[in-house]
Amino acid sequence: QVQLVQSGAEVKKPGASVKVSCKASGYTFTSYDINWVRQATGQGLEWMGWMNPNSGNTGYAQKFQGRVTMTRNTSISTAYMELSSLRSEDTAVYYCARGGSSSEDFDYWGQGTLVTVSS
Amino acid sequence: SYELTQPLSVSVALGQTARITCGGNNIGSKNVHWYQQKPGQAPVLVIYRDSNRPSGIPERFSGSNSGNTATLTISRAQAGDEADYYCQVWDSSTDVVFGGGTKLTVL
Repeated sequence: QVQLVQSGAEVKKPGASVKVSCKASGYTFTSYDINWVRQATGQGLEWMGWMNPNSGNTGYAQKFQGRVTMTRNTSISTAYMELSSLRSEDTAVYYCARGGSSSEDFDYWGQGTLVTVSS
Repeated sequence: SYELTQPLSVSVALGQTARITCGGNNIGSKNVHWYQQKPGQAPVLVIYRDSNRPSGIPERFSGSNSGNTATLTISRAQAGDEADYYCQVWDSSTDVVFGGGTKLTVL
């Protein structure tokens, strides 16, 4: 069965960077895009960007351009999302999600990783 | 930038039909996807491309999309359907857009 398993919770100071991992299993990792979506407590879903694990091509939401980097290691079927210059407003649960059959939807999601930014 | 508008909350009596709307400019020309999110859990895709159900999603969940409004319909609502529901589209100018989410309460 398809699974996306994310790394554990992180606590970071303002100005630092965080790198969240997302390990895929149950399907061919390079055949589906990986997207990243975040959700602040009590708030809605916010898309951050996508990555094609086969080519490494990426596309980032304008809001995160220059601060986010999405990479992958195909040998271990793992995608990564690194967010830099953290501020308190970046405190949120970060999800990885697989691009679905329509290439526009997200059919499988990781369990989420809580990133807390606090001095 | 493209925006999607959802009601903050919708209530439905147990066993009745709930309808959650998602408004956007000419949304009927786009593919709309719907997600269910229960407290403390990751979202789950319940409808993709307007009206298609992924494997494992009950037939009680259906979707439609026309004009400026897409609708998620939940028939014979159950207590387990209580959740937040989000609509989502892909727009050429803003890439992925989510609606603000609707909290469904089953009375």
